[in-house]
Amino acid sequence: AQKITQTQPGMFVQEKEAVTLDCTYDTSDQSYGLFWYKQPSSGEMIFLIYQGSYDEQNATEGRYSLNFQKARKSANLVISASQLGDSAMYFCAMRLPPANNNDMRFGAGTRLTVKP
Amino acid sequence: GAVVSQHPSRVICKSGTSVKIECRSLDFQATTMFWYRQFPKQSLMLMATSNEGSKATYEQGVEKDKFLINHASLTLSTLTVTSAHPEDSSFYICSARDRSAWGNQPQHFGDGTRLSIL
Repeated sequence: AQKITQTQPGMFVQEKEAVTLDCTYDTSDQSYGLFWYKQPSSGEMIFLIYQGSYDEQNATEGRYSLNFQKARKSANLVISASQLGDSAMYFCAMRLPPANNNDMRFGAGTRLTVKP
Repeated sequence: GAVVSQHPSRVICKSGTSVKIECRSLDFQATTMFWYRQFPKQSLMLMATSNEGSKATYEQGVEKDKFLINHASLTLSTLTVTSAHPEDSSFYICSARDRSAWGNQPQHFGDGTRLSIL
């Protein structure tokens, strides 16, 4: 069975510094997708970054990068130059294979607080 | 970019009332939509997968008679919480995936509905 684990319930980071949010996953599938979403207090889910299981390079999107270590089954999110607006819940998610309608399973989330 | 509209954003009603939540994909066709429930400070839990023109697939432990899902078109899915009770109070959020999307395309989420049953 597929499983996503985020072991950091809460993280603090000083403004302008970088922070790493951990995510490990477990799956027996060879083909899968990993996603990170941001959920501010208003509730909407904002897509940040994607990493495919066959992608050889780590994904990057602006200040977001994904440290993908396939052998360790980890997909950590790195946020560089943190901003106050980055304070939110962050969810790691894995897309299941087509047999499961490609739905997504989410980790428990990490609440990031950026301190001024 | 792809947009999913969810309505209403907030509902407060009395116990015993049935509440309908709509999820629309505005600029793409979604053969599959997903309904999630989120309790405070917890993660999103998949309730059911809604497929256009067929019955929804419910996750284990989710009462299909309690949470009625209808996916009548490629752009609209509805979730009806029947005879809602205080324990049904939660944040409900839908998502949709573009039928033409490849594997790296994210699911697009609505803004969610905060349901409060008095």
